[in-house]
Amino acid sequence: RKEVEQDPGPFNVPEGATVAFNCTYSNSASQSFFWYRQDCRKEPKLLMSVYSSGNEDGRFTAQLNRASQYISLLIRDSKLSDSATYLCVVTRPNQGGKLIFGQGTELSVKP
Amino acid sequence: EAGVAQSPRYKIIEKRQSVAFWCNPISGHATLYWYQQILGQGPKLLIQFQNNGVVDDSQLPKDRFSAERLKGVDSTLKIQPAKLEDSAVYLCASSVGQGPFNEQFFGPGTRLTVL
Repeated sequence: RKEVEQDPGPFNVPEGATVAFNCTYSNSASQSFFWYRQDCRKEPKLLMSVYSSGNEDGRFTAQLNRASQYISLLIRDSKLSDSATYLCVVTRPNQGGKLIFGQGTELSVKP
Repeated sequence: EAGVAQSPRYKIIEKRQSVAFWCNPISGHATLYWYQQILGQGPKLLIQFQNNGVVDDSQLPKDRFSAERLKGVDSTLKIQPAKLEDSAVYLCASSVGQGPFNEQFFGPGTRLTVL
């Protein structure tokens, strides 16, 4: 079983739609949680950190459920520019900055 | 501020040949990472340096892969001999420090094709 699992998609949605991505992680000791965005043939970039209290950045909302070992990302009012692969990322305790990536979920927003 | 620089951007080699990739991190970043991203997968850490010392190389296939960061600044990753399964994008990243909340900034990657 992979340490971080995501639905690979693709998710095809119209502009203006709300879309949610889910991610589960297997290591209950996982310490920190992030969502990264990766455009086609580009490098990953940090989208947002994820906290137990939940956090919001504009149209993006991230949630963490430690009991269920589950992370989510909600995108409201999707834009064409949101088309990308969204990578769920966790870290382990005492392993410095080592990032453990899921395989990514591909999003395609259509006009 | 300049980002993480990598070269070459693309490389095509035949199996059993050797190849080397170069990375120059953001100025002042002490921590440098090499990740391997196979098509359809997320990046996987190969090696992490703190200044010129290795912090984690547990997933580096040491029989064929080597990496160095001799002066604590730029770094090279070498594969010798290459196998078909080494075809991937090799991403270099850097951060100010080691902790998980030090944001990692990725370079554009080197796309390797092994024939």
